[in-house]
Amino acid sequence: DSGVTQTPKHLITATGQRVTLRCSPRSGDLSVYWYQQSLDQGLQFLIQYYNGEERAKGNILERFSAQQFPDLHSELNLSSLELGDSALYFCASSAWRSGTGELFFGEGSRLTVL
Amino acid sequence: GQQVMQIPQYQHVQEGEDFTTYCNSSTTLSNIQWYKQRPGGHPVFLIQLVKSGEVKKQKRLTFQFGEAKKNSSLHITATQTTDVGTYFCSGNYGGSQGNLIFGKGTKLSVKP
Repeated sequence: DSGVTQTPKHLITATGQRVTLRCSPRSGDLSVYWYQQSLDQGLQFLIQYYNGEERAKGNILERFSAQQFPDLHSELNLSSLELGDSALYFCASSAWRSGTGELFFGEGSRLTVL
Repeated sequence: GQQVMQIPQYQHVQEGEDFTTYCNSSTTLSNIQWYKQRPGGHPVFLIQLVKSGEVKKQKRLTFQFGEAKKNSSLHITATQTTDVGTYFCSGNYGGSQGNLIFGKGTKLSVKP
């Protein structure tokens, strides 16, 4: 158990819809990262937050947005969903502001868009 | 943009054979991390390398960071069926963009 909690574990929705994925980081970790993993693909970095502030942005689509709340949990919002958005979305947390130190991954949220 | 290339994409070995995966970046990395993802699981941290030329060992696993801090390798000696999974390297370019960029991973299968 990494200590990172992601909900929901599975989500099936239709094209054009909007979903919210939630992540609770490990106790004490200030950094939250979001990654997208498509079938047989690597981990595509989407966005990082540190202590409530956006710190780094990767290949995140404009239809996607995220935020980190004062209690440090984070949400990833995916809107106007397309078939190609079907993927496993991982949240990871770290005690560090920069990319130094271990990332602890949650078990992921599997999104299926029909 | 920043990219970390990892090869091979797939590797099939007989149990007891050795395995190596390689990670390359076109620009210098601040540090590199390695993760393992078991089938159906989530990535789990293995190690972080920071210093130029660094070599670290964990039982049958040997990790190296190149002298120029642009490449890294993971070598597994005498693979076991428990080694099955996908191995990812993750590069940190430091500075204001301290996010971790993952390679596409090497999927290892081990035939008993």
